[in-house]
Amino acid sequence: SQELEQSPQSLIVQEGKNLTINCTSSKTLYGLYWYKQKYGEGLIFLMMLQKGGEEKSHEKITAKLDEKKQQSSLHITASQPSHAGIYLCGADGQAGTALIFGKGTTLSVSS
Amino acid sequence: DTAVSQTPKYLVTQMGNDKSIKCEQNLGHDTMYWYKQDSKKFLKIMFSYNNKELIINETVPNRFSPKSPDKAHLNLHINSLELGDSAVYFCASSPLYGTGELFFGEGSRLTVL
Repeated sequence: SQELEQSPQSLIVQEGKNLTINCTSSKTLYGLYWYKQKYGEGLIFLMMLQKGGEEKSHEKITAKLDEKKQQSSLHITASQPSHAGIYLCGADGQAGTALIFGKGTTLSVSS
Repeated sequence: DTAVSQTPKYLVTQMGNDKSIKCEQNLGHDTMYWYKQDSKKFLKIMFSYNNKELIINETVPNRFSPKSPDKAHLNLHINSLELGDSAVYFCASSPLYGTGELFFGEGSRLTVL
């Protein structure tokens, strides 16, 4: 079965610093999704990537999918306290099964 | 209007009890899911319900049973609760099964004492 490995597990950065979160799949990714979760809340969809080499941005968050479609990165530029939360990558399951998720990266931003 | 709503948000109960969590979506989606998030924040699929077809994750104990009275509702019933059932349960829906953006509820935190 497919597995998603996220790194780092947790991250503390100073406000204004840049950071990157990685998501590596054990199998080829056909659809890669990034979600953010704030404490006590549900997951909020950030971005979806499908094509090798694809890159998408939303405000100060950029996500990329590598050419081989087995790794994705999420980059936050000039981090703010509002970026704090848990970031999860998700992937289309095989044979049309439900989305599977990585174990998440907890981001804390200190002011 | 909340797109995916779950009730209750918090549930504290004793071992051995039976409890239910309700989920409703007003997005017109045909597909709904239940996910379990453990204490380490790992989110695992429990059930998928697509166009009245229930797809069960093999690792879920049969004490857990989803019930869907109509396509806008997917409830989760749990029998004989155990300590290990303590977790946050998330309901989600999507326009397409197995792919695409999921719309999540805010979660229901279950604590079994």
